[in-house]
Amino acid sequence: DVKVTQSSRYLVKRTGEKVFLECVQDMDHENMFWYRQDPGLGLRLIYFSYDVKMKEKGDIPEGYSVSREKKERFSLILESASTNQTSMYLCASSLSGGQGEKLFFGSGTQLSVL
Amino acid sequence: GENVEQHPSTLSVQEGDSAVIKCTYSDSASNYFPWYKQELGKRPQLIIDIRSNVGEKKDQRIAVTLNKTAKHFSLHITETQPEDSAVYFCAASGSYQLTFGKGTKLSVIP
Repeated sequence: DVKVTQSSRYLVKRTGEKVFLECVQDMDHENMFWYRQDPGLGLRLIYFSYDVKMKEKGDIPEGYSVSREKKERFSLILESASTNQTSMYLCASSLSGGQGEKLFFGSGTQLSVL
Repeated sequence: GENVEQHPSTLSVQEGDSAVIKCTYSDSASNYFPWYKQELGKRPQLIIDIRSNVGEKKDQRIAVTLNKTAKHFSLHITETQPEDSAVYFCAASGSYQLTFGKGTKLSVIP
């Protein structure tokens, strides 16, 4: 079964800190995604990548950047964390390019910015 | 871009009754419509999906219907059980990007 692993389950950071969220998948998937989940707002796409070193903005990219140096790893970076970035962050991957691929999610990182 | 509306936001049913969750989408180019289930404290998992060339799809107690003309699709759960209690998300996609609805919290009362 596909395994998508996020490095931290819970993370507490201070305002202004640079934050790295790491995600690794073990099934050679082409596509990787970062979502943010907030109560009542569903899942909102921050960034995605369909190939190594490729990245595309999602619906809410402001305040975030990403890095994909290796196929299996996709990092989300908060350049200067703010309190409104307190949220659950979910990484996901899918097999190949194109439309209509099943997403496999990680277990999420609950980030609190104080 | 795509916009997905999902209703209701909360739904309570008696065990054994049916549950229906409805979604509408805005982009006529969307052609893939999955449903994800997220149990409390767990990751979302795909439970069923449908593509635009199909009007209905069933998997045991779960079914999804799609009306492309009206741009809406629905999830039907029959003979609900307590383990069906979860948050359900619909989504729509016409490209790499999947746009999710805001979710429906389903509670099945024993």
